[in-house]
Amino acid sequence: DAGITQSPRHKVTETGTPVTLRCHQTENHRYMYWYRQDPGHGLRLIHYSYGVKDTDKGEVSDGYSVSRSKTEDFLLTLESATSSQTSVYFCAISPGQVSTDTQYFGPGTRLTVL
Amino acid sequence: AQSVTQLGSHVSVSEGALVLLRCNYSSSVPPYLFWYVQYPNQGLQLLLKYTTGATLVKGINGFEAEFKKSETSFHLTKPSAHMSDAAEYFCAVSDPGGAAQKLVFGQGTRLTINP
Repeated sequence: DAGITQSPRHKVTETGTPVTLRCHQTENHRYMYWYRQDPGHGLRLIHYSYGVKDTDKGEVSDGYSVSRSKTEDFLLTLESATSSQTSVYFCAISPGQVSTDTQYFGPGTRLTVL
Repeated sequence: AQSVTQLGSHVSVSEGALVLLRCNYSSSVPPYLFWYVQYPNQGLQLLLKYTTGATLVKGINGFEAEFKKSETSFHLTKPSAHMSDAAEYFCAVSDPGGAAQKLVFGQGTRLTINP
């Protein structure tokens, strides 16, 4: 299994509070991704990173920001959580062959915003 | 914009029966195609992928899929279902020309195996 951990694994928070989710990898892979999974929508890309300090937006980036100060860590921040951000969040990594890569997924973080 | 449609959010088959999970895509150029599986309370793992070459792709656990450009399809099959195949399956596409592998996923198909 690829060495990917996500923390926390479960979180309950209140509307309006900031939340940061962490993805940590031990594979030294170049690319890292954040997805959210919602029933009926599959997984949707939030943000991705192609190197330290290099990030870009995905399909559903509104309300989210990311940072990558080290190769191994990719942080997802909800500046002011809303109930619509209740979801399961997955981090993924890939080595860097771009379109033909296999993405390896972490175990997920279940976030509930009350 | 790319899109993926998985026909049937739930599929139920008997143990030993054929598994067929349908995936159709919409893309302006032939994309790269993937099937991922998600077991309960876990992340996704790759079953198989088509990038170039042979259009019939074999994956793990006895699954295979065939890329049919004329039908814009990439259906997943397994000749004989096993109880351990019960999971959710996701079809995904990516743009060959992209700067990163921005996967677009279908909504998923939950596969149930009846004893």
